[in-house]
Amino acid sequence: AQSVTQPDARVTVSQGASLQLRCKYSYSGTPYLFWYVQYPRQGLQLLLKYYSGDPVVQGVNGFEAEFSKSNSSFHPRKASVHWSDSAVYFCAVSAKGGRALIFGTGTTVSVSP
Amino acid sequence: NSKVIQTPRYLVKGQGQKAKMRCIPEKGHPVVFWYQQNKNNEFKFLINFQNQEVLQQIDMTEKRFSAECPSNSPCSLEIQSSEAGDSALYLCASSLSSGTGTEVFFGKGTRLTVV
Repeated sequence: AQSVTQPDARVTVSQGASLQLRCKYSYSGTPYLFWYVQYPRQGLQLLLKYYSGDPVVQGVNGFEAEFSKSNSSFHPRKASVHWSDSAVYFCAVSAKGGRALIFGTGTTVSVSP
Repeated sequence: NSKVIQTPRYLVKGQGQKAKMRCIPEKGHPVVFWYQQNKNNEFKFLINFQNQEVLQQIDMTEKRFSAECPSNSPCSLEIQSSEAGDSALYLCASSLSSGTGTEVFFGKGTRLTVV
């Protein structure tokens, strides 16, 4: 069965420090992977996506992520975070048949001054 | 920025009451999804449509939940008899197609509280 695991429920980083988020997926075949960010009282906004090709993808807000088929992972990182990056980040995989996304349970990122 | 519009943003209902929420997808997007996000950030896919036709729905949706996407009107999700466990953020999303990997755009959600 397809699934997504985000092992870190909460991450706290200092402003200006680097941030690494983690996502492991279970999927037979080539997955379509996404990272979404949810700011307080907002919907989900697309941060990154991977379909195929170059395993390093650039996203919005200074994020980039590396896909690894051997490790079944899609980990985003940002070199220097700002307080406005405080949010909940969700990894998701597109289910077979293309009809729904399967989400992880999110990583809450808190950026301290 | 997403142009999926959901109303109302907040909804409070008593147990057993009907709860109805609406969604206007992005212009030109024929595919609409409804998801339930609970307080533990667990997402549950409820139903999706392509134009006015249901593509897929889960069992829960078939019983107390009803949804429709009439032409030239907002899509809607209605819970016939609300239960405490229905308290959640209901997210509507739309996309250009139902193909695997198609980018999906989300609204801000309707937060339902069942008291």
